[in-house]
Amino acid sequence: AQSVAQPEDQVNVAEGNPLTVKCTYSVSGNPYLFWYVQYPNRGLQFLLKYITGDNLVKGSYGFEAEFNKSQTSFHLKKPSALVSDSALYFCAVRGSGNTGKLIFGQGTTLQVKP
Amino acid sequence: SQTIHQWPATLVQPVGSPLSLECTVEGTSNPNLYWYRQAAGRGLQLLFYSVGIGQISSEVPQNLSASRPQDRQFILSSKKLLLSDSGFYLCAWSAGQGIQPQHFGDGTRLSIL
Repeated sequence: AQSVAQPEDQVNVAEGNPLTVKCTYSVSGNPYLFWYVQYPNRGLQFLLKYITGDNLVKGSYGFEAEFNKSQTSFHLKKPSALVSDSALYFCAVRGSGNTGKLIFGQGTTLQVKP
Repeated sequence: SQTIHQWPATLVQPVGSPLSLECTVEGTSNPNLYWYRQAAGRGLQLLFYSVGIGQISSEVPQNLSASRPQDRQFILSSKKLLLSDSGFYLCAWSAGQGIQPQHFGDGTRLSIL
């Protein structure tokens, strides 16, 4: 069965420092991976996806993610954090079948302090 | 471009009352549609999904039901709300191929009194 884990409930970084939000996955077959961000009382916003190709995927708002097949990881990164990046981040993996269902991690709260 | 609308944004209902939440998508045809519930600002629980008009799959047994009367309309309903139905309800759509991202509405905050 497909699953995804976000091992950190919260990540704290100082503004201007690099940030990493961790995600590991378990799938049968090729992994299709996604990152989303959620601001308070809003829906989830799509940041980026990995389907195939380059292991470094670039997305919205300066975020990127590194796909590592041997470590079954898909960590979200940004070279220089902004206070406005503070939000809840979700990693997701496509479920089996062709329904478009996603399996979401439990989310990681990112706190960027000035 | 495609847009997704959910309403109402907030709703306060008494226990035992009925519920109807509506979601519509514009700018695409034959989308996959999804209803999620999010408790306490954390994980998402998939409630229902639909791959076409009148086709509804339920992910968990519960007090809620869903319908898709038109291609781009998805409705979440209940005949009698329970306290445990409180939460943040999110609607999402995706293109049909299954490797496309889901796109979310801004949600409905439902409080049951």
